[in-house]
Amino acid sequence: SQQGEEDPQALSIQEGENATMNCSYKTSINNLQWYRQNSGRGLVHLILIRSNEREKHSGRLRVTLDTSKKSSSLLITASRAADTASYFCATDGRSNTGKLIFGQGTTLQVKP
Amino acid sequence: DTGVSQNPRHKITKRGQNVTFRCDPISEHNRLYWYRQTLGQGPEFLTYFQNEAQLEKSRLLSDRFSAERPKGSFSTLEIQRTEQGDSAMYLCASSFPVPSDIQYFGAGTRLSVL
Repeated sequence: SQQGEEDPQALSIQEGENATMNCSYKTSINNLQWYRQNSGRGLVHLILIRSNEREKHSGRLRVTLDTSKKSSSLLITASRAADTASYFCATDGRSNTGKLIFGQGTTLQVKP
Repeated sequence: DTGVSQNPRHKITKRGQNVTFRCDPISEHNRLYWYRQTLGQGPEFLTYFQNEAQLEKSRLLSDRFSAERPKGSFSTLEIQRTEQGDSAMYLCASSFPVPSDIQYFGAGTRLSVL
């Protein structure tokens, strides 16, 4: 079964607006990652945040992590039509194998 | 291309047939993972290899599924006696655990069982 839930399931915004996606998970973690998936394609890693970090930035991406609430958020600023994709959070569940446990994803549509 | 390669990209088969998928990971990566993704869902872990050793299998991996990674290089995933419920995208990923746990995914093999 999936590790957790993502909210919202779908998001539609205009180009230039910010997009925020939330992720909740169930077990303790070493790290949490966000991946992007374009329709019918594989996943591309976006950003990794470790359990002892609270916030991380990468270009137009900002990720926060609240381990007490077992939740994370991904903010995409100044969105572009090319950001249209599905976004997944993934945790390692403190596994030593590195296997990832994914949420159900948020489908983002950015209208030009 | 130095990324993760999966073949074939698409496979259509009839129920009851056997199918085999291949994954070529990034060459220096010693960890290899298989995931299954159904429409509208996130990927679900199937199995994990470290070098040639299969170290973990999900309970999703029924007796009809088998995976190998001979010589710790490419991997194959075989499904015997396919069922319509096996229709999904099968994703392969590889990683090198140091310095991070980032996984690099292939484009996937989409299986349709008729």
